[in-house]
Amino acid sequence: DARVTQTPRHKVTEMGQEVTMRCQPILGHNTVFWYRQTMMQGLELLAYFRNRAPLDDSGMPKDRFSAEMPDATLATLKIQPSEPRDSAVYFCASGWGRRSGELFFGEGSRLTVL
Amino acid sequence: DQQVKQNSPSLSVQEGRISILNCDYTNSMFDYFLWYKKYPAEGPTFLISISSIKDKNEDGRFTVFLNKSAKHLSLHIVPSQPGDSAVYFCAASAGGTYKYIFGTGTRLKVLA
Repeated sequence: DARVTQTPRHKVTEMGQEVTMRCQPILGHNTVFWYRQTMMQGLELLAYFRNRAPLDDSGMPKDRFSAEMPDATLATLKIQPSEPRDSAVYFCASGWGRRSGELFFGEGSRLTVL
Repeated sequence: DQQVKQNSPSLSVQEGRISILNCDYTNSMFDYFLWYKKYPAEGPTFLISISSIKDKNEDGRFTVFLNKSAKHLSLHIVPSQPGDSAVYFCAASAGGTYKYIFGTGTRLKVLA
């Protein structure tokens, strides 16, 4: 049963600490997305990759967020330093990059920054 | 700047009746639209999609209508069931990209 796997599922940290969220996309998918869910903005696109290359990270606060795909089986989203306003659920999604393509989402990483 | 808007944060419907969820967009370059359903503590799951060359797409109890001139799409669920209670997101992308922009979501509650 192929699925997108995200770790950690829950993270509580203090302001100023570094946070790293990890995602294992579905094998064979060539596009990977990071979204953040907040009450006000809904699902905000932070960054996305195609064939491991970053295509768009305009949704990310550049000074503190970074996204990478060290290999085809791992995508990371790092926040350094974290702030209370970063508290949200972060979703990773992957797809085949087809126009008809649906995205398959992970279960999310709930981040709380105190 | 919210390019995809779902102006109703919540909707309650009686079981068996029709649920209509609405979505508006501002970017005329959007040409592919999707609806996702999300249960608590889970990731969103794909429901139905429509290309801008169509004005309607149907899949079982779910139908999506697209009105390009009004930049408006809607999702109809008939008949509504308690298991349909979830948050529904619409999403859009522009030709040649895979950048899906999501709306803020509408929470649907189907009352038994």
